[in-house]
Amino acid sequence: DSGVTQTPKHLITATGQRVTLRCSPRSGDLSVYWYQQSLDQGLQFLIQYYNGEERAKGNILERFSAQQFPDLHSELNLSSLELGDSALYFCASSVGHEQFFGPGTRLTVL
Amino acid sequence: AQSVTQPDIHITVSEGASLELRCNYSYGATPYLFWYVQSPGQGLQLLLKYFSGDTLVQGIKGFEAEFKRSQSSFNLRKPSVHWSDAAEYFCAVGAEGTASKLTFGTGTRLQVTL
Repeated sequence: DSGVTQTPKHLITATGQRVTLRCSPRSGDLSVYWYQQSLDQGLQFLIQYYNGEERAKGNILERFSAQQFPDLHSELNLSSLELGDSALYFCASSVGHEQFFGPGTRLTVL
Repeated sequence: AQSVTQPDIHITVSEGASLELRCNYSYGATPYLFWYVQSPGQGLQLLLKYFSGDTLVQGIKGFEAEFKRSQSSFNLRKPSVHWSDAAEYFCAVGAEGTASKLTFGTGTRLQVTL
């Protein structure tokens, strides 16, 4: 158990819908990262927050957004969902360079 | 831009045999290097990391990796594989400086035959 929690574990929704994925980092970790794992793209970095502020952006679509709240939990919002958004979404947290990953949320878009 | 290449998509070894998984990275400065393991339906677990110092690093579950700057490699090794090691293994590189994103390789799926 990494200490990073993600909810929900599974999410099934339809095209065009909007979903919110939640992540709680390890106690004391200020950085939160979001990654997407898909069969065709592999593991890709989406976005990083540090103590509530956006720190870095990767290949994140404009339909996707994230935020980190004062209690340091983070949410990833995915809107206007397409079939190709089906993937495993991981959250990770760190206090330095070592990132600890949550169990992931598997999103299926039908 | 940083990148990672794992040339072997799938490897099969017999239980008790030795294992080496290859990883080559591209990064302009001193890289931070990691190996993660992902079991089916699970998240990513950190096996070991290299930041600086001794180029041979020991990790969990009996794994080790060697950083070779001249070859831009960070290969993962285990002297004797157990059936429970069957999983997908990812090599990743992070940028020097403040904590930053990881760039992952495409992964190597390890199958262990009994």
